[in-house]
Amino acid sequence: DVKVTQSSRYLVKRTGEKVFLECVQDMDHENMFWYRQDPGLGLRLIYFSYDVKMKEKGDIPEGYSVSREKKERFSLILESASTNQTSMYLCASSLRDRSEAFFGQGTRLTVV
Amino acid sequence: AQKITQTQPGMFVQEKEAVTLDCTYDTSDQSYGLFWYKQPSSGEMIFLIYQGSYDEQNATEGRYSLNFQKARKSANLVISASQLGDSAMYFCAMREGDFGNEKLTFGTGTRLTIIP
Repeated sequence: DVKVTQSSRYLVKRTGEKVFLECVQDMDHENMFWYRQDPGLGLRLIYFSYDVKMKEKGDIPEGYSVSREKKERFSLILESASTNQTSMYLCASSLRDRSEAFFGQGTRLTVV
Repeated sequence: AQKITQTQPGMFVQEKEAVTLDCTYDTSDQSYGLFWYKQPSSGEMIFLIYQGSYDEQNATEGRYSLNFQKARKSANLVISASQLGDSAMYFCAMREGDFGNEKLTFGTGTRLTIIP
């Protein structure tokens, strides 16, 4: 059974903290993605990666960075969390073609 | 500019009726892929159906079909004989870009409610 696992389901952090969201996939997928989901705005792409150590900015990369040191792991980093980064964060992975992406269960992050 | 546009924030449909969820897209690529996902209240993202830009036939998966009109850049999802379990958010998405370095972009979604 294919699996994309996000390290936390719920997270509460303070403003200014450095936050790490981890995502691991066991399908040997080349591509990995990070999204945030907000009501009325759908899923917005933050960053994606097509290979180890490779990363591309999505549509809303400001305030975020990513790390992909191993093929199976893609980390989203909030360098200094702010309240406007309170959101649901979804990680996904896919093969390097037009096939569908598989999603993790999501991390609901609250920044206070 | 929006890459994926879903103009119906919400829809209410009687059980057993067919429903069409609209999706238009914008890309200058010749090769791209279009997807529909379902997100029930549990939050998981469930892949429903895929259409490649070079596919001549409309994709079908059980009760789901994708009405692909390339010239109009339209990729509407049709659900036949709707069921109560179809109540969910539905997202249209597109993969575009160079092979291996492909962006996957989603629309804002349509909340579908099936009425008994």
